[in-house]
Amino acid sequence: EVQLVESGGGLVQPGRSLKLSCAASGFTFSNYYMAWVRQAPKKGLEWVATISTSGSRTYYPDSVKGRFTISRDNAKSSLYLQMNSLKSEDTATYYCARRDGYNWFAYWGQGTLVTVSS
Amino acid sequence: DVVMTQTPVSLSVSLGGQVSISCRSSQSLVHNNGNTYLSWYLQKPGQSPQLLIYKVSNRFSGISDRFSGSGSGTDFTLKISRVEPDDLGVYYCGQGTQYPDTFGAGTKLELK
Repeated sequence: EVQLVESGGGLVQPGRSLKLSCAASGFTFSNYYMAWVRQAPKKGLEWVATISTSGSRTYYPDSVKGRFTISRDNAKSSLYLQMNSLKSEDTATYYCARRDGYNWFAYWGQGTLVTVSS
Repeated sequence: DVVMTQTPVSLSVSLGGQVSISCRSSQSLVHNNGNTYLSWYLQKPGQSPQLLIYKVSNRFSGISDRFSGSGSGTDFTLKISRVEPDDLGVYYCGQGTQYPDTFGAGTKLELK
């Protein structure tokens, strides 16, 4: 059974940093692109980052480019999201997702809530 | 960026009924490789989104054949037949044809 378990969320002040983690199991982690997708309270879905199987290629939308960094450790079957210079608009539940066929999100974690507030 | 427009915003249905949700993209979703990367997701209350349909009309593993996707180019439809209580929630379409991936604003399916 595919499982994705996020951790690391919490309350953080504007301008500070936070690092999210996602532990994957039930599949060969190194064979799949992975991604982060977020959802602001009572809002829709927003893609945040994608990483290739080896980690050599990463992709971001303009809203987080230069502030967020996605990375992975295939030996540990883990995905990470380093978030710097956080803003109030980054407040959201962050989901780890397995990206199948390079182009759709087949499995999602339960999410971890990040609240950016002073 | 590709803008995804879903209609209606909300939908009321009786159990056992049928509904359709429309999703329109601001640009063609046909990829250079000939595939169309349009997906549908359901987010049940208090849960994470789950994949229902990928590449327009392919049902994901374990998804009932009551769910069907169709469309091409810029116009897509999700149909749900014989609606059950477990189908209630918010439905999102999403495109993965070009970066950034984008999603529709969602359609809330409620019981009449």
